[in-house]
Amino acid sequence: AQKVTQAQTEISVVEKEDVTLDCVYETRDTTYYLFWYKQPPSGELVFLIRRNSFDEQNEISGRYSWNFQKSTSSFNFTITASQVVDSAVYFCALNSGAQKLVFGQGTRLTINP
Amino acid sequence: ETGVTQTPRHLVMGMTNKKSLKCEQHLGHNAMYWYKQSAKKPLELMFVYSLEERVENNSVPSRFSPECPNSSHLFLHLHTLQPEDSALYLCASSQDLPSRGVYGYTFGSGTRLTVV
Repeated sequence: AQKVTQAQTEISVVEKEDVTLDCVYETRDTTYYLFWYKQPPSGELVFLIRRNSFDEQNEISGRYSWNFQKSTSSFNFTITASQVVDSAVYFCALNSGAQKLVFGQGTRLTINP
Repeated sequence: ETGVTQTPRHLVMGMTNKKSLKCEQHLGHNAMYWYKQSAKKPLELMFVYSLEERVENNSVPSRFSPECPNSSHLFLHLHTLQPEDSALYLCASSQDLPSRGVYGYTFGSGTRLTVV
């Protein structure tokens, strides 16, 4: 069975702090894909990144970085020098060939000025 | 503009009303989805359509009735809803089903439904 766990329900930090959102997944498949989505107050989920199970290289995109570790089944997301506009709910998701993406419960991130 | 448009953005309906939610995409995607997002709950997949054919129905009550007349449009017909059905209903599309390849989903902004 596929499962995604985001243990942090809510995180609140002060602007310019670094913050890491945790994601732990479970799957028996050797080929799978992991995603992160951002849901701002407007409601739509915005695609941030997709990684496949064969590529464990960490990725950096501006202030965003992702740390994929198969040994611990984790795909954590770090925002460096956070900004108020980063406030949103962030979802981690997993797909391993099923008909659907499996989403975690989401982490509500609040960046205070 | 996300590429997936949902209307209305907000809807308040009584328990005896009948209403419909609409989702439209012109991205050329073949798969479309309805998700329900309740407060403090994970996203719940409700229905999956591929080329107008329903391929998954996750034990959703019959008071929710989906319709996919073509690959660009998806509806969710609502009737005799309960207050606990109040939620954000999100539509998404993808190039194809996840089982046929890995594609990111494009989501709409959702319809905020309140049942009174």
